[in-house]
Amino acid sequence: DSGVTQTPKHLITATGQRVTLRCSPRSGDLSVYWYQQSLDQGLQFLIQYYNGEERAKGNILERFSAQQFPDLHSELNLSSLELGDSALYFCASSVGGTFGTDTQYFGPGTRLTVL
Amino acid sequence: AQKITQTQPGMFVQEKEAVTLDCTYDTSDPSYGLFWYKQPSSGEMIFLIYQGSYDQQNATEGRYSLNFQKARKSANLVISASQLGDSAMYFCAMREGEDNFNKFYFGSGTKLNVKP
Repeated sequence: DSGVTQTPKHLITATGQRVTLRCSPRSGDLSVYWYQQSLDQGLQFLIQYYNGEERAKGNILERFSAQQFPDLHSELNLSSLELGDSALYFCASSVGGTFGTDTQYFGPGTRLTVL
Repeated sequence: AQKITQTQPGMFVQEKEAVTLDCTYDTSDPSYGLFWYKQPSSGEMIFLIYQGSYDQQNATEGRYSLNFQKARKSANLVISASQLGDSAMYFCAMREGEDNFNKFYFGSGTKLNVKP
């Protein structure tokens, strides 16, 4: 158990809908990362927040947005869902800040299925 | 160009033998970090080992070591004395830059099967 929690574990929804994925980082970690893992695209970095602020952006679609709240939990919002958005969405957390190993600890993931 | 290349989609190794998983990277930034992660069939991502671009010595963590060849831009993972529980997908990743606020790049992964 990495200490990172993600809810829900599974989500099944229809095209055009909007969903919210939630992540609670490990105690003491200030950075939260979101990743998408799909069969055709592999593991893609989406976005990073550090202490409430967006700090790095990857291949995140405009239909997707994220935020980190004052209590450091984060939410990833996916809207106007398409079949291709079906994937495993990981959240990871790390202490953040200084350069170095800054090990990321991954949550168990949310499996999103868009029908 | 791909930032991280893992050329071995799948590998087999006999239990108790050593195995090397290849990873090459592409960056012009002098500061970067290289990471290896393990993803068992259960799906979670597990951090294994880290190598910084300025580190003089190869990183080691238990049975894992990272063969870092900077000039060749390779960061191969060596697993010694393979165990059945090592069967999993292995991902190489890189972060460029001098702080921890840059994009993370992952390779396509290598599926390792350890045979009894």
